[in-house]
Amino acid sequence: QVQLQESGPGLVKPSETLSLTCTVSGDSISTYYWTWIRQPPGKGLEWIGYIYYSGSTNYNPSLKSRVTMSVDTSKNQFSLKLKSVTAADTAVYFCARDLLGTAKVWWFDPWGQGTLVTVSS
Amino acid sequence: DIQMTQSPSSLSASVGDRVTITCRASQGISSYLNWYQQKPGKAPKLLIYAASSLQSGVPSRFSGSGSGTDFTLTINSLQPEDVATYYCQQSYSSPRTFGQGTKVEIK
Repeated sequence: QVQLQESGPGLVKPSETLSLTCTVSGDSISTYYWTWIRQPPGKGLEWIGYIYYSGSTNYNPSLKSRVTMSVDTSKNQFSLKLKSVTAADTAVYFCARDLLGTAKVWWFDPWGQGTLVTVSS
Repeated sequence: DIQMTQSPSSLSASVGDRVTITCRASQGISSYLNWYQQKPGKAPKLLIYAASSLQSGVPSRFSGSGSGTDFTLTINSLQPEDVATYYCQQSYSSPRTFGQGTKVEIK
């Protein structure tokens, strides 16, 4: 079964760049779309964007100017970079597989366990 | 962006009760609606996709219905392990958006 695991620094200084990696096991990354979602402490879920193994991307317009996603098929990993972070970017960051299923409906399954990134000096 | 509004924001029910959560989209989204369950400290888990299809392995007491702008998640016979926050999510258009969540507790 497919499993995802996020990794990266848990603390980032304001104005710097947040960098996270998601490692996929149990399936090839070169088959699906892969997405990032975040959740500020005690709040709801926000979709950040997705990347296809070919490198094509689709970002949330609210974050588009600061987000870059990339994929490394040789390592079965995909990554997120969010630049110029502020305290408002403090959140649990999840990676997930973005599936196109029946009736052309997309859904997120499975998810990684999530990693908390705190933006603070 | 399509706004997703869930109600209620929280509820408390007894074991064995039938629980209903509603989700309303700000515009028609056909059946491009998914439901997730998030237990405390855990990642969300897919329960229902395409408005009414039960994800493999999910107990049959969970069901979804609706189309267009109004959707419902029903838990028949609430169990202690169903304590969680439930989110709806639309995949009709980008950006994908979630409801604000409904927290379910046991009375």
